[in-house]
Amino acid sequence: DAGITQSPRHKVTETGTPVTLRCHQTENHRYMYWYRQDPGHGLRLIHYSYGVKDTDKGEVSDGYSVSRSKTEDFLLTLESATSSQTSVYFCAISPGPLEQYFGPGTRLTVT
Amino acid sequence: DQQVKQNSPSLSVQEGRISILNCDYTNSMFDYFLWYKKYPAEGPTFLISISSIKDKNEDGRFTVFLNKSAKHLSLHIVPSQPGDSAVYFCAASARTGANNLFFGTGTRLTVIP
Repeated sequence: DAGITQSPRHKVTETGTPVTLRCHQTENHRYMYWYRQDPGHGLRLIHYSYGVKDTDKGEVSDGYSVSRSKTEDFLLTLESATSSQTSVYFCAISPGPLEQYFGPGTRLTVT
Repeated sequence: DQQVKQNSPSLSVQEGRISILNCDYTNSMFDYFLWYKKYPAEGPTFLISISSIKDKNEDGRFTVFLNKSAKHLSLHIVPSQPGDSAVYFCAASARTGANNLFFGTGTRLTVIP
């Protein structure tokens, strides 16, 4: 299994508070991704990174920001959490234009 | 607009029989297709992939078929086992830039012992 961890695994937060989710890899892969999974939508890309300090927006990036200061860490920040951001968040990594390998997920509830 | 579609939300199959999961796509730029399997409370696990230069790829009990003219792919599992019960996601990529994947909504497979 690819070495990917996500923290926290579960979080409950209140509307309007900032939240940061962390993805950590031990594979030294170049590409890292953040997805959210919601019923009826499958997985949708939020942001991705193609190198340290190199990031770009995905399909559903509004309300989210990311940072990658080290190869191994990719942070997803919800600047001011809303109930519509209640979801399961998955980080993925990839060495190149082939398969992506997913972490175990973070279940976020915004009340 | 959903570029990758899995029109069957669920499928039930008897153990030992064949499971066929279907996927359709709309973007003709997609040239790489993948299937992921997901158990509850876990991340998706890569299962099998196929490039657009092929029409079939086989790995043990799993075979993926690609029909480019119909923009359709399918995953065959033979024989089906109870441990195959999971949600299966189809994904597609144009393999440009960061290789962003576009996922279908998933099909829940239940294999009945």
